[in-house]
Amino acid sequence: AQSVAQPEDQVNVAEGNPLTVKCTYSVSGNPYLFWYVQYPNRGLQFLLKYITGDNLVKGSYGFEAEFNKSQTSFHLKKPSALVSDSALYFCAVRDPASGTYKYIFGTGTRLKVLA
Amino acid sequence: GAVVSQHPSRVICKSGTSVKIECRSLDFQATTMFWYRQFPKKSLMLMATSNEGSKATYEQGVEKDKFLINHASLTLSTLTVTSAHPEDSSFYICSARAGTSGSTGELFFGEGSRLTVL
Repeated sequence: AQSVAQPEDQVNVAEGNPLTVKCTYSVSGNPYLFWYVQYPNRGLQFLLKYITGDNLVKGSYGFEAEFNKSQTSFHLKKPSALVSDSALYFCAVRDPASGTYKYIFGTGTRLKVLA
Repeated sequence: GAVVSQHPSRVICKSGTSVKIECRSLDFQATTMFWYRQFPKKSLMLMATSNEGSKATYEQGVEKDKFLINHASLTLSTLTVTSAHPEDSSFYICSARAGTSGSTGELFFGEGSRLTVL
């Protein structure tokens, strides 16, 4: 069965330090991978996606993610965290072979950046 | 990026009444829209897939008579929570797939609607 795991419920990081939010997936074939961010009482905002090509993907607000096929991971990273990065982050995967546009979402990771 | 507008952002209603939530794609045509429900512990649950001009496809366990979805045009989908009860209180989010996003199927999300049923 297809699934996405975000093993950390919450990640705390000091402002200015690098941050990593983990995501692993279980999808057969070549998945499309996405990261979204959600601020309180708001919808989800697109950060970045991996479809094909370079394993390191750069996105909005200085975020990047590295696709690792052997480890089936797509961790979100940022070299220097800001307090304003504090939010809920969702990893999502779509299986293009499924013939649908359904996303499978992880359970979300709450990022808290401490001043 | 493409903009999806969701209305109302907050609604409070009495138990037994029906509530309609609108989801509009403002600058693109959305052939497919999705409705999600977000629970307090933050997970997103896909409720249904809405295709313009055809019946919605509901996920297992979602009552189609309870959550009526209509996708009458390429820019508008509506979710009606019929005979709402307190357990229907939740944050509902729609998303839309732009035809121009091609096969990558990137989704754009509305701002969500907080429903409180008294």
